[in-house]
Amino acid sequence: DTEVTQTPKHLVMGMTNKKSLKCEQHMGHRAMYWYKQKAKKPPELMFVYSYEKLSINESVPSRFSPECPNSSLLNLHLHALQPEDSALYLCASSQDSSGVYEQYFGPGTRLTVT
Amino acid sequence: AQKVTQAQTEISVVEKEDVTLDCVYETRDTTYYLFWYKQPPSGELVFLIRRNSFDEQNEISGRYSWNFQKSTSSFNFTITASQVVDSAVYFCALSDQSNDMRFGAGTRLTVKP
Repeated sequence: DTEVTQTPKHLVMGMTNKKSLKCEQHMGHRAMYWYKQKAKKPPELMFVYSYEKLSINESVPSRFSPECPNSSLLNLHLHALQPEDSALYLCASSQDSSGVYEQYFGPGTRLTVT
Repeated sequence: AQKVTQAQTEISVVEKEDVTLDCVYETRDTTYYLFWYKQPPSGELVFLIRRNSFDEQNEISGRYSWNFQKSTSSFNFTITASQVVDSAVYFCALSDQSNDMRFGAGTRLTVKP
């Protein structure tokens, strides 16, 4: 099973709302990732968790707050977002964070900030 | 710094034609990993292949084949006898041992019936 699941599929939120994106994998992978993808652009790395610890934060604004409650789950907490944060948010996982292994992606959450 | 260039922004072919998607990369590392991903309209990126820098063997998987040439820093992807279901955006990506994966800009392939 190479499935990564993400909820919700679509999310519309106002600039003052607080919401969370969820990601789950059951492949025993020890690295998990959040990417942001704008239309007609490649995915941009936001965060990397390795063995449940944040290992890479690509200078993401603090209005995005990641959390890794356990090795299977990854959350992205959203607060006071801006309209330019509207994008597809992709979660991925890989066997470890060495860079050797392919990443498996979820279907994404399409976020619209109004 | 690592960089991946996919010079072809969009390609349109008619079903059953062969098509090659180009990928050129730059890295100073001697150990690195190359990937191809497919992103259909549904949005999910699908892993297609991984190659490490020490393995220059070309690979064939059904209608898909990959040509890795270190001498030209290229990792090209060919679809033989294309089908409508191959229509997607294809990304080439490069990763080093710090797990800094860089994607190319992507090539949008449209296969017309």
